[in-house]
Amino acid sequence: SQELEQSPQSLIVQEGKNLTINCTSSKTLYGLYWYKQKYGEGLIFLMMLQKGGEEKSHEKITAKLDEKKQQSSLHITASQPSHAGIYLCGAEGAQKLVFGQGTRLTINP
Amino acid sequence: NAGVTQTPKFQVLKTGQSMTLQCAQDMNHEYMSWYRQDPGMGLRLIHYSVGAGITDQGEVPNGYNVSRSTTEDFPLRLLSAAPSQTSVYFCASSYATPGQGLWTQYFGPGTRLLVL
Repeated sequence: SQELEQSPQSLIVQEGKNLTINCTSSKTLYGLYWYKQKYGEGLIFLMMLQKGGEEKSHEKITAKLDEKKQQSSLHITASQPSHAGIYLCGAEGAQKLVFGQGTRLTINP
Repeated sequence: NAGVTQTPKFQVLKTGQSMTLQCAQDMNHEYMSWYRQDPGMGLRLIHYSVGAGITDQGEVPNGYNVSRSTTEDFPLRLLSAAPSQTSVYFCASSYATPGQGLWTQYFGPGTRLLVL
C-alpha cells in the first residue's frame, strides 16, 4: 500500500521567514493533495498536483511535484500567523485518499 | 449550503457503550468517507461510500459500522466503544469535477471522542 512521509513533523519559524514542507511517497503519485488544518478544526483543501514538474501557487503558498512524481514540496513565502496549523499531504489511491502524518507549523511573532 | 456537518462535537463514552456519529452534506456529493485522526498518525480512513447503498472498508474499519441509505447522510456507528477509539473523527465528502479530481474533499469540523 502507498505510504506518505512528511518532513519535518513540526516546524517553528519566525514571522516573515520562508519555509518548506516535504512529502515523499513510496510509490508514484497520480494525484497529490495538500490540505491545511487549523487547530481543532476540519481540513481545508489547498492544492492538487497531478503532472510531473507541476507547480501551483495560491497567495504565498507554492506547491511542486517533482518530475518523478514521488515527492512534493509546499513552500510558504514570508510566513504570517495565519499560516499556522497542520499541513497534510494526501495521495490518491484506489477510491481513497491516503494521508501523511502531518506537519505542525507554528509561527512566532 | 451548510457543507459537511457533524454531530456531536464532543462526546464522552464509557467502555462498552455504543453510539452513532452523524454526518450530513448538502452538496449532493456521491463520495463520503470517515477518518480518524490520532497524534503522529495523520488521518486514517475508516470507511467510505461511493454512493447511496454502497460502502467499503478503509484502513482501520474494525469496531465501526457504516450505512448509506441516502446521498446526504453517512453515519458512523461504534458498536462497543473501547479506549483505543479515543480520537478525533472527521467526515468528508467529495465530487468528481474535471480538473479537480475526485479527491477534492470537503471536511466536516470533526467530533472529539473520549472513551473511558
